[in-house]
Amino acid sequence: SAVISQKPSRDICQRGTSLTIQCQVDSQVTMMFWYRQQPGQSLTLIATANQGSEATYESGFVIDKFPISRPNLTFSTLTVSNMSPEDSSIYLCSVEQGAASGANVLTFGAGSRLTVL
Amino acid sequence: GQNIDQPTEMTATEGAIVQINCTYQTSGFNGLFWYQQHAGEAPTFLSYNVLDGLEEKGRFSSFLSRSKGYSYLLLKELQMKDSASYLCAVRDSNYQLIWGAGTKLIIKP
Repeated sequence: SAVISQKPSRDICQRGTSLTIQCQVDSQVTMMFWYRQQPGQSLTLIATANQGSEATYESGFVIDKFPISRPNLTFSTLTVSNMSPEDSSIYLCSVEQGAASGANVLTFGAGSRLTVL
Repeated sequence: GQNIDQPTEMTATEGAIVQINCTYQTSGFNGLFWYQQHAGEAPTFLSYNVLDGLEEKGRFSSFLSRSKGYSYLLLKELQMKDSASYLCAVRDSNYQLIWGAGTKLIIKP
């Protein structure tokens, strides 16, 4: 399965600042997915990053708040803009690959734990 | 709306068997996944069910009943390293993944 490197692994940020999370995959993939995981809650899909086109955002998430770049088939960034304490969460990058079972399985990066003060 | 329900937390004893249930109400069904997530780590894929019945993979098995909107993950011969959160996710008719909040499994010696 793909190996995903994600950084930073954690950061403490000040209110009103922005932080960019990087995700590097060791193979070319069409789509990369950005998730948020708040304590005790489900994984929530923020957006799907497609190479060569605008990212597709899920309901409740907008490009101004979470701009995404996808310059090539192995790399993507997610920026959390104008942060507030409500943005404190774990942000996960993932890719989808076919498995022996026939399913398309998600492989995740290790996550970026952001704390906004 | 779409919903996945699973218990918040379960406790079991090392060497025993535990069953983690997952019920779902989704718009269509295109497969159910179980992922394991250790504290501070990324989720990792455990199992996939798309047809009714039991899928066995070593100490872990997963069962699906589509008519009941129900699945369970069965863990046998529990080891301390099985202490983790277990996430149930369903792919709906639009191929979107709907995630449960996860079940935190605590293994005691």
